Amino acid sequence: DAGVIQSPRHEVTEMGQEVTLRCKPISGHNSLFWYRQTMMRGLELLIYFNNNVPIDDSGMPEDRFSAKMPNASFSTLKIQPSEPRDSAVYFCASNPDSPGANYGYTFGSGTRLTVV
Amino acid sequence: AQSVTQLGSHVSVSEGALVLLRCNYSSSVPPYLFWYVQYPNQGLQLLLKYTSAATLVKGINGFEAEFKKSETSFHLTKPSAHMSDAAEYFCAVSGSGNTPLVFGKGTRLSVIA
Repeated sequence: DAGVIQSPRHEVTEMGQEVTLRCKPISGHNSLFWYRQTMMRGLELLIYFNNNVPIDDSGMPEDRFSAKMPNASFSTLKIQPSEPRDSAVYFCASNPDSPGANYGYTFGSGTRLTVV
Repeated sequence: AQSVTQLGSHVSVSEGALVLLRCNYSSSVPPYLFWYVQYPNQGLQLLLKYTSAATLVKGINGFEAEFKKSETSFHLTKPSAHMSDAAEYFCAVSGSGNTPLVFGKGTRLSVIA
């Protein structure tokens, strides 16, 4: 089991550019979550999916953020256009069952995004 | 609605001393509770979980936590701190159905030699 795989590990981009973060959940896991972590705001849930369907995107900060899950093995988080305040570590996590099930989430290693 | 409160954003202990990280929860349904650990530049790793079986839960690396319903607490302990325990620790409470985990703000543990 390779775990939750995120790419890239690090991304440095210029303000105004489009950024795409990628996540491959654990095979067979039905729920996928995108989190953002900053010193100021801690760990924030941005959006989550169940069976590839977005359930709640109320944590997405602005329309510049979008997420997709075209199939059970892949999800993207896109920021367009990026701004310096988007600099953070973005984590993807997956869960074997529904979002509230008691298995405990498995987190990826994260993508450290720096927007200059 | 579920929530967790972690008391103390930073805890510092000496190597070999007791580690106690506090977590109180609020839940409208019987809760499932979790502790996660985050080492520098890594993702969150599940340390242990309470799912209504035994109230004393043992996790990895010698950590354990006790569920106390009367105190709505799920504090994390380790008898003897090791330098390698220095990390950020997060408490979380589950939702139900399609409601996701709710995380606390985290407690940074420092271990002093």
